[in-house]
Amino acid sequence: GAGVSQSPSNKVTEKGKDVELRCDPISGHTALYWYRQSLGQGLEFLIYFQGNSAPDKSGLPSDRFSAERTGGSVSTLTIQRTQQEDSAVYLCASSLRTRRQGASGYTFGSGTRLTVV
Amino acid sequence: DQQVKQNSPSLSVQEGRISILNCDYTNSMFDYFLWYKKYPAEGPTFLISISSIKDKNEDGRFTVFLNKSAKHLSLHIVPSQPGDSAVYFCAASEPSWGNTGKLIFGQGTTLQVKP
Repeated sequence: GAGVSQSPSNKVTEKGKDVELRCDPISGHTALYWYRQSLGQGLEFLIYFQGNSAPDKSGLPSDRFSAERTGGSVSTLTIQRTQQEDSAVYLCASSLRTRRQGASGYTFGSGTRLTVV
Repeated sequence: DQQVKQNSPSLSVQEGRISILNCDYTNSMFDYFLWYKKYPAEGPTFLISISSIKDKNEDGRFTVFLNKSAKHLSLHIVPSQPGDSAVYFCAASEPSWGNTGKLIFGQGTTLQVKP
């Protein structure tokens, strides 16, 4: 597609349940990022994938969070045993370049709004 | 530990006037800064960037100023238009993050431009 696609756009889940969030990056973009925005907070880096390299997981807040990127394309962010503090908008971005100055080339998806009740 | 801070949650200006959005940072290693704009229900979109070797970068109605000694940057929009109404995020990165493209974002400032 023309842009970064995320699904679902909204997700309401009960505390303790697992959720999966999906990101379809722009075709050909080798770098993929997950960020989240909690209420009143800035965008918080979660994880970064680049090609076949080991992902940078330094931003994942706990071991309940994991992410995969299959075939260098689609990525899934999984949150196990969800907690209320996991409620946030989860944003995925992809970019063609990985040079820092290439960060201007980020294309974000519209995000998944996760609400844990 | 908020390394990038946007202390004004909101700003309201009249159409045609200047909008000034501010951003402070604490990490002296940051050397590349960006501004993103976000409309409701959409992802952020890149607006303008500046490297620490510069103190000003201009793109049309948008100008970013960087004051390294004060660890402060600002985004000026002149003249402001109603379509500029959005949430604006500043972001920064440091050399030690190499080529990951990882960014630290501020909390955002909601700009409202009144007709």
